[in-house]
Amino acid sequence: AQTVTQSQPEMSVQEAETVTLSCTYDTSENNYYLFWYKQPPSRQMILVIRQEAYKQQNATENRFSVNFQKAAKSFSLKISDSQLGDTAMYFCAFMNPPNFGNEKLTFGTGTRLTIIP
Amino acid sequence: ETGVTQTPRHLVMGMTNKKSLKCEQHLGHNAMYWYKQSAKKPLELMFVYNFKEQTENNSVPSRFSPECPNSSHLFLHLHTLQPEDSALYLCASSLQGGTQYFGPGTRLLVL
Repeated sequence: AQTVTQSQPEMSVQEAETVTLSCTYDTSENNYYLFWYKQPPSRQMILVIRQEAYKQQNATENRFSVNFQKAAKSFSLKISDSQLGDTAMYFCAFMNPPNFGNEKLTFGTGTRLTIIP
Repeated sequence: ETGVTQTPRHLVMGMTNKKSLKCEQHLGHNAMYWYKQSAKKPLELMFVYNFKEQTENNSVPSRFSPECPNSSHLFLHLHTLQPEDSALYLCASSLQGGTQYFGPGTRLLVL
């Protein structure tokens, strides 16, 4: 079974600074997907970024980028120029390869990120 | 309405009540999911439906009964729940093999 580990329960950073959230995972699969979701106080789970394991290039979405190290099974999220609206719980998630509709997301325990004005 | 919607947003029920949670997706997806989010625990997948057929039941107690009448609607029928079932219940949808998009959740309190 896949496991996802987020070793930083809480982090805080000053507004406009850069912060990196860590995630490691364990799998025997070669093809899979990794995600970062954010959950603000509203509790809505919002997709931040997605990475396909077969792609060597790290995914980026505006201020959000990942450092995907497949051999090390590491998938960290970097938030640049952090904003107050980035305050949220951040979840790393693993999805097994497409399997005719039986795809499952396995989540880490989350990192609570607070952006300080 | 766009995206994934869930009703009600909040629900308080007694252990002998019967209630239902509703999820609707407006994204043209074919797969729908129920997750449970309890305090201090990772999100737990409960059920998966693909083209209206249940493809996953993650050892969920029978007091939770899902229903998927079509690819756009998903229900979770609740009966004789326990206080430990109090949690945030999240619905998600996706295209087969694709990214899952979540609804805002139903916060459930069982007294």
